[in-house]
Amino acid sequence: DGGITQSPKYLFRKEGQNVTLSCEQNLNHDAMYWYRQDPGQGLRLIYYSQIVNDFQKGDIAEGYSVSREKKESFPLTVTSAQKNPTAFYLCASSMQVNANTGELFFGEGSRLTVL
Amino acid sequence: GNSVTQMEGPVTLSEEAFLTINCTYTATGYPSLFWYVQYPGEGLQLLLKATKADDKGSNKGFEATYRKETTSFHLEKGSVQVSDSAVYFCALSELVGRRALTFGSGTRLQVQP
Repeated sequence: DGGITQSPKYLFRKEGQNVTLSCEQNLNHDAMYWYRQDPGQGLRLIYYSQIVNDFQKGDIAEGYSVSREKKESFPLTVTSAQKNPTAFYLCASSMQVNANTGELFFGEGSRLTVL
Repeated sequence: GNSVTQMEGPVTLSEEAFLTINCTYTATGYPSLFWYVQYPGEGLQLLLKATKADDKGSNKGFEATYRKETTSFHLEKGSVQVSDSAVYFCALSELVGRRALTFGSGTRLQVQP
């Protein structure tokens, strides 16, 4: 089935450790996105990538890093510089720009808890 | 910049009641508008969308009309079910630049039998 796969679903981390969240899509979408969800705050954009080997900061990029070496993959690293990393992280993708009405397709999410 | 404002929840209704969740937006240009639904512990699923003024999006008994004059996209359903209990997000697309979605803060709906 086509879709977006995020892993792990749950992750626990000690303070001071980096952690990488995986996001893989087989929808042949060009653009991929990472959002952070906190209770009562909706979703906030961390990073996005519209094409392979290129990515841009979103609204809350500090303490995060990404790579886009393959079209299918857009991993997110939560570094020790992120002051409040406990959150629910959502990966999304969308069709190429010219055919895009703006709809994003989301994965199931990864819940990160810092102990 | 772009922003989306939703009514705060939780909204608690009895089964078969009428539902309205208000959503207003601020945007440059003419964005597409969306409602997404999130069930506990899951990602977001697209519920419905509208791409231009006066369009009505509909799905699973839910409807929303793109009102440019009032910059609104209110979600309605005539008769809710317990299975509709979830968090609902209103969002608008940025059709230039980032082409990301800007989300409202979400409204939790609880439907009681």
